[in-house]
Order: sequence, then C-alpha cells, then structure tokens
Amino acid sequence: EPEVTQTPSHQVTQMGQEVILRCVPISNHLYFYWYRQILGQKVEFLVSFYNNEISEKSEIFDDQFSVERPDGSNFTLKIRSTKLEDSAMYFCASNNGLGEKLFFGSGTQLSVL
Amino acid sequence: DQQVKQNSPSLSVQEGRISILNCDYTNSMFDYFLWYKKYPAEGPTFLISISSIKDKNEDGRFTVFLNKSAKHLSLHIVPSQPGDSAVYFCAASQYSGAGSYQLTFGKGTKLSVIP
Repeated sequence: EPEVTQTPSHQVTQMGQEVILRCVPISNHLYFYWYRQILGQKVEFLVSFYNNEISEKSEIFDDQFSVERPDGSNFTLKIRSTKLEDSAMYFCASNNGLGEKLFFGSGTQLSVL
Repeated sequence: DQQVKQNSPSLSVQEGRISILNCDYTNSMFDYFLWYKKYPAEGPTFLISISSIKDKNEDGRFTVFLNKSAKHLSLHIVPSQPGDSAVYFCAASQYSGAGSYQLTFGKGTKLSVIP
C-alpha cells in the first residue's frame, strides 16, 4: 500500500538554527498538510498546500515557517529560526482530493536544545 | 479551544469484549468525523469515518455511531483484540474548499486490550 514517507525520523537542533523537514506524499495525491503534536498535547493543524500554494494555515504557522514543493515528489517544512517550543513530532499528510481521508507519515521528532 | 473532546485518556478492556471509545464535539459545521489509530513511533493510521449526514458506519469489527443532536460520536470495536491496543484519535473534518480538508483532533484515548 502506498504511504507517506518522512525524513529524518529524528532531528536535534540548536535554538536559532534552521531546520528542514522532508516528506514524500503519496504519488497521485494533490493536497499536502503538516501537523504537529507537542508531547502530551493534541495533534494540531499547521498548514495545507495545493497547486503550489498554501490553502490554509493556522495561527501556529507564523513567519518562521514555510513550505515548499521543490520538485514533483517532495514536500518540505522549513523552520527558519527554531525556538524551544518548536520541539514536537511533525507529521506530514496527503489526500487525493476525492474524500476526507488524510494519510499520515510516521513523523519527524524535532528536538530544539 | 476544544472543538473535539475525548474525555477518557485511557480505557482497558478484556480480549473478546467490546471497546467503546467516545468523542464529543462543539462545532456543528463539521462534515466528516474520523477515527485514527496510532502506535508508538508511527503516524496516525486511518480507521473509519462517517459523514455528518449519517448515523452509523460499519467496517468489519469497527462501527462508528454519530448522534448529531448530542454532538457525540463513538467507536465500537467488537471483538477487541490485543493488537487493537493503541491510542485512538477522534478527528473532525471541515471542508475548506477546492478539495482541502482540515482535521481537528481530540487528545486521544489509549486503549489497552488485555489478553
């Protein structure tokens, strides 16, 4: 069964550094998403992306965050200057646009020191 | 802002018995409700969903019931198996236009099925 893949599985960075989290969505999907889960809290929506532009974003997704689809297969989340509170599990998801079901990757655990 | 609430953080059930996981929501504009299962170190895996215009959807051992007047849904697993032990997330979906669905998640319920 096709799946969403995310790399790396773990990322440790120093506060203030830039990080890029990478995702390969399911190949025929059109809608891409980033969610995150801070330890002990809910899975929260960050951003949705369609047709090479952001469709929606949450209040969390401020100017420090950006997303990009640099080629036909990858979808990236960049955090420009990481803060301690950015430490979380980041999930990428994709959807084929034909229904409500989102397929999630295994996540990248980001630790900001 | 708790639009989707799962009030039970954990649930233990004997193997072979029924597991009932509950979820409440506040936003009547949600158009789909979904259940995801999550194992440690993995992403959420889709389990079953229900449209807001239906009151029941069944898939094998899994049945979701929706009570719109009470803004409540539940997931029934019958019979429960040890492999069902995981965290179950209730999620509600709002169509954002042009095919995009945004999910709002509950905090999750950790189900333990005891052999």
